[in-house]
Amino acid sequence: QVQLQESGPGLVKPSETLSLTCTVSGGSLSSYYWSWIRQPPGKGLEWIGYMSYSGSASYNPSLKSRVTILVDTSKNQFSLKLTSVTAADMAVYYCATYSSGGRAFDYWGQGILVTVSS
Amino acid sequence: QTVVTQEPSLTVSPGGTVTLTCASSTGAVTSGYYPNWFQQKPGQAPRALIYTTSNKHSWTPARFSGSLLGGKAALTLSGVQPEDEAEYYCLLYYGGAWVFGGGTKLTVL
Repeated sequence: QVQLQESGPGLVKPSETLSLTCTVSGGSLSSYYWSWIRQPPGKGLEWIGYMSYSGSASYNPSLKSRVTILVDTSKNQFSLKLTSVTAADMAVYYCATYSSGGRAFDYWGQGILVTVSS
Repeated sequence: QTVVTQEPSLTVSPGGTVTLTCASSTGAVTSGYYPNWFQQKPGQAPRALIYTTSNKHSWTPARFSGSLLGGKAALTLSGVQPEDEAEYYCLLYYGGAWVFGGGTKLTVL
């Protein structure tokens, strides 16, 4: 069973870059697409994007200009970078697997809260 | 701007049956939207329940089922248990991008 664990700074200043890492255990990075999803406090879920180990990516059009997802097979990790953050980017960020064959978001990390504040 | 709409809240009695729906602002939801359903309890990460309209994950209880109903994606809970009280989210595919519904808060009372 795949297990995912998010890590990174819990506090980011406005206009700076949010950087998070998701460490994967129990699964191969070649088996899935690797996704990020976020949830502002008290609100609903928002899909950010995903990337395959081979570099095939898809991003939420509303975030595309600010988002980069990278996969590091040597470390069994994938990452999220979101530039020029504002208060609207404050959220719990989840990493998750996406099975392209089944069109399924299967396994999720526990999430990490990122606060945007000076 | 594509909008995916769910009932904001529903209430069901223990042992009862309830259907949650997921509508698209673009028109009828079909299998090509690959509907996914998730359950989220307070303070927890979402848990996947259903993918591609009606397929269950290995951990999905048998009382949960997915379908297409009247131009919408639907999640039906039969024989509702108290532990099913949660927020439920649907997720639809729009040709390269995915959009979540706003969620349905299900109360078991």
